[in-house]
Formats: sequence, structure tokens, C-alpha cells
Amino acid sequence: AQTVTQSQPEMSVQEAETVTLSCTYDTSESDYYLFWYKQPPSRQMILVIRQEAYKQQNATENRFSVNFQKAAKSFSLKISDSQLGDAAMYFCAYRPTQGGSEKLVFGKGTKLTVNP
Amino acid sequence: IAGITQAPTSQILAAGRRMTLRCTQDMRHNAMYWYRQDLGLGLRLIHYSNTAGTTGKGEVPDGYSVSRANTDDFPLTLASAVPSQTSVYFCASSRGRGVNSPLHFGNGTRLTVT
Repeated sequence: AQTVTQSQPEMSVQEAETVTLSCTYDTSESDYYLFWYKQPPSRQMILVIRQEAYKQQNATENRFSVNFQKAAKSFSLKISDSQLGDAAMYFCAYRPTQGGSEKLVFGKGTKLTVNP
Repeated sequence: IAGITQAPTSQILAAGRRMTLRCTQDMRHNAMYWYRQDLGLGLRLIHYSNTAGTTGKGEVPDGYSVSRANTDDFPLTLASAVPSQTSVYFCASSRGRGVNSPLHFGNGTRLTVT
């Protein structure tokens, strides 16, 4: 079974600085999708960024970018110019392209604190 | 506004009682999911449905049942609630499987079983 590991339960960053959240996953598949979701205190789950495994180029969305290392099965999220509104739980998620469902497998999350 | 509606927002339930969490989406998405979120454990899949009329078990299905009579609704039922089912429950949906079909989430139901 596929698993997703987020080794950092908590991280903190100073406002305007850069922070990287780590994520590794275990799979025997060659093609799959990876996602980062943000959950602020409002409890809403918000998609931050997505990556297709067969694409070499790292995805970027404004201040958010990923470092996708397929051989290492690593999918880290970099947040540049951190803002107070970035404070949230961040979840890494994996979705296979084949198989019986479109379900996502989530990591346990990293709580990000942004210090003013 | 298109999206997913979950009800109730929160609920306190006595152990042994039956409870149905409601989930409705208006995006005509094929797939729907129920996750539970517990501190330190992230989100774990309870049940899912790839399309109306079909359902499947996720990682933690015991004590829960679902039905998918139509595209829009995907209720989750706890037949006889136990304290270990205290959690935040999220309903989600997606159009399909691709990277351009991410999960859309409802705002969650906080359930406390006493």
C-alpha cells in the first residue's frame, strides 16, 4: 500500500523568509499525482499545488513551489516570502493513476507557524 | 456558489446512538469520499464512491456505512456510535482521477461521542 510521510510535525518561519516542508512517499507505481493541501484554522482544506509524476518540471504557484525528486520519492514544498496567512496545517497527498479509485492518501501533516 | 455542503457543522452524540452525516455536492462530480481527521494521524479514508450506485471501503471503514443513490449525495452513517469515532469528518468529491481533478472538500463536521 502507498504511504506518505511528513517527518516534520511542526515548523516555524519568520515572516518574509523561506521555509521548506518535506514529504516522502512509498509506491511501486511509475505514474501518479502528488498534491499539497493547506488547512488554516478555519478547517477548510485548500489545494496549494499539484504535480504529475511523469513531468520533470517542478510545479510552481506564485510563492509556492515544489522540489520533486522522483527517484528519491520526495516531494517537498517551498514557501517563499512567507506571510502570516500561510500559517496552517499542510498535508502532502498521493494519488495513483491506476487502480480502483481516485482516492488520495494523505500524510499526517505539518503545522506551520509564521512569526511576525 | 458551487461546492460541497456538509451537515451538521458539529454534533455531540451519546454512545450507542445512530447518526447520519450528510454531504451534498452540486458540481456533478463522479467520485465522492469520506475522510476522518484526527490529531497526529492526518486524514484517513473511511469510504469512497467512484460513481453513483457504487461504494468501496477505505482505510478505516469499521463502524461506518455509506450509500450513493445519486450523483449529488453521499451520506455517512454511524450505526451505533462509540467514543473512538470522535473526530472531524470531511466529505470530498472529484470529477475524475487526473491531476486536474483534485479533491474538493466540505467544511467538515466535528463529531463528539460521549
